[in-house]
Amino acid sequence: NAGVTQTPKFRILKIGQSMTLQCAQDMNHNYMYWYRQDPGMGLKLIYYSVGAGITDKGEVPNGYNVSRSTTEDFPLRLELAAPSQTSVYFCASSSSLQGGYGYTFGSGTRLTVV
Amino acid sequence: AQSVTQLDSQVPVFEEAPVELRCNYSSSVSVYLFWYVQYPNQGLQLLLKYLSGSTLVESINGFEAEFNKSQTSFHLRKPSVHISDTAEYFCAVSRQAAGNKLTFGGGTRVLVKP
Repeated sequence: NAGVTQTPKFRILKIGQSMTLQCAQDMNHNYMYWYRQDPGMGLKLIYYSVGAGITDKGEVPNGYNVSRSTTEDFPLRLELAAPSQTSVYFCASSSSLQGGYGYTFGSGTRLTVV
Repeated sequence: AQSVTQLDSQVPVFEEAPVELRCNYSSSVSVYLFWYVQYPNQGLQLLLKYLSGSTLVESINGFEAEFNKSQTSFHLRKPSVHISDTAEYFCAVSRQAAGNKLTFGGGTRVLVKP
């Protein structure tokens, strides 16, 4: 099925370890986003991309890095994992930069840092 | 910058009773408004959106939301809920003139009881 695919679905990391959360979409969307979801806080934007090779910071970028080498893929890298990065991470994509277009979300990655 | 406040973190409701989820936003510019629904262990799905025109918008599964510019609100209602409406609901806004970055409220968890 067409959509946004995130892997892995669950992961436990030890403090100081690193990992990459994968996100791929097959809808030829130029615009992709990474959000984290914490209880009672809604979703906060980490990074976004408007096309291959172009990324920018969102509201909470510290401790994360992204790259966008292709239209389809938008991986999120965690370096030196900390307990504060325990969260559910969602990747999303959109067909337009115009504000009226909604997002297509992936099913999320639940990350626990211990 | 814009912000979104969902006034209720949890709303318990009996099956076939009405429900209203409140959402207020603040922004210095015109915005687009969205409601997303998140079923347990899933990603977010677009429920409905207001872009322009009629201030009352409806979804295919019986929800409706009304945009009130003077009160900067976008409350979500359903006249009769089902068990399957148990989910978390997120209100979100994006600025009309500044790209498609969504700002989310903290979410309202709806628990429908038999």
